[in-house]
Amino acid sequence: ETGVTQTPRHLVMGMTNKKSLKCEQHLGHNAMYWYKQSAKKPLELMFVYSLEERVENNSVPSRFSPECPNSSHLFLHLHTLQPEDSALYLCASSHKTPSSYNEQFFGPGTRLTVL
Amino acid sequence: TQLLEQSPQFLSIQEGENLTVYCNSSSVFSSLQWYRQEPGEGPVLLVTVVTGGEVKKLKRLTFQFGDARKDSSLHITAAQPGDTGLYLCAGVGTYKYIFGTGTRLKVLA
Repeated sequence: ETGVTQTPRHLVMGMTNKKSLKCEQHLGHNAMYWYKQSAKKPLELMFVYSLEERVENNSVPSRFSPECPNSSHLFLHLHTLQPEDSALYLCASSHKTPSSYNEQFFGPGTRLTVL
Repeated sequence: TQLLEQSPQFLSIQEGENLTVYCNSSSVFSSLQWYRQEPGEGPVLLVTVVTGGEVKKLKRLTFQFGDARKDSSLHITAAQPGDTGLYLCAGVGTYKYIFGTGTRLKVLA
């Protein structure tokens, strides 16, 4: 596998379920990100991890819980979600935390539907 | 709150036509990036502009960063069906990227 991979690609869950999204990067990068992409809103940054430490949390509800066990893996744990949380969840990685010359590499996303 | 407004939101043109997409903000960014996203995939970086007034060319795509580093434009010459996709600008700040509202482009053969 190369680049940034995400599993699952599609997920349907009820509001009382608990599920996890997984992201893996094979690029040797030090920073990883979770984004939410909804149909009618700009791409929203949720969490940033740099060297496995969370450095940014953009006022995300506690029903979303990130975990970064090492620099190659990032998880997003989901519980008691709401229908408005249905969106495409994108993971990205970069060589280091944002700077002018830093390119983010995105995974293909997980399409989440909350019933 | 930093916002990046893109215009137009949607654009459908014939193959061979030229087009310009705009990205505007009231905030100053240290740099600005343009991405293209195709269905079922994540965004892919096209270019980063850093200096006010900078112009960069990528084949038929020309990117410009405003003198005040608050706005940017993307011009496509002789558009092709392969240019179809969602174009996103992103302002780069400390520990974060602020993404624009997006321009969805469709180029008809």
